[in-house]
Amino acid sequence: LAKTTQPISMDSYEGQEVNITCSHNNIATNDYITWYQQFPSQGPRFIIQGYKTKVTNEVASLFIPADRKSSTLSLPRVSLSDTAVYYCLVGGINAGNNRKLIWGLGTSLAVNP
Amino acid sequence: KAGVTQTPRYLIKTRGQQVTLSCSPISGHRSVSWYQQTPGQGLQFLFEYFSETQRNKGNFPGRFSGRQFSNSRSEMNVSTLELGDSALYLCASSFPNGTGVYQETQYFGPGTRLLVL
Repeated sequence: LAKTTQPISMDSYEGQEVNITCSHNNIATNDYITWYQQFPSQGPRFIIQGYKTKVTNEVASLFIPADRKSSTLSLPRVSLSDTAVYYCLVGGINAGNNRKLIWGLGTSLAVNP
Repeated sequence: KAGVTQTPRYLIKTRGQQVTLSCSPISGHRSVSWYQQTPGQGLQFLFEYFSETQRNKGNFPGRFSGRQFSNSRSEMNVSTLELGDSALYLCASSFPNGTGVYQETQYFGPGTRLLVL
């Protein structure tokens, strides 16, 4: 059974780089990896998406090794406002040509001053 | 483009009642998914609609149902409410890009906070 596993919580300090790793051993060939950020009482917000190697945007980087069995979200120089829950999602289509979504349980990141 | 909107934002009901939640996707998005989120839990997938048809369904009882209209707007209904149905209900819309490597980014609304007393 496909599963997405990530740490329950992490602590960091302002200005540090934070790396959150997600394990997805059974990822399928056509699956994509997406990370979302969620603040309390809000819907998750898209951060970054990738398929392999490295993807970078204005807020984060996503590192995916060649075997794609894991992925690492990297947040450079975090600030207090980055305190949130971060979700890893492996998504694609299943054998019935329907959407497949495998969400992690989220990593609660606390950034301290 | 306007984002995903959900109404109402907050709702208080009592056990046994039924409730209908509404979601308007981003313009042009044809897929709408619904999730339940409770404290300490991840996102629990309820169901997904695409072009007015239910395309995927999570592991929830039949009290939870939904539908999608021709303009892609979606409603979710919960009948015979239970205390455990208190949660944040999230709606997400997406637009399939139709390529061989399937990827869809889901855009979430702010959610409807349902409290069942």
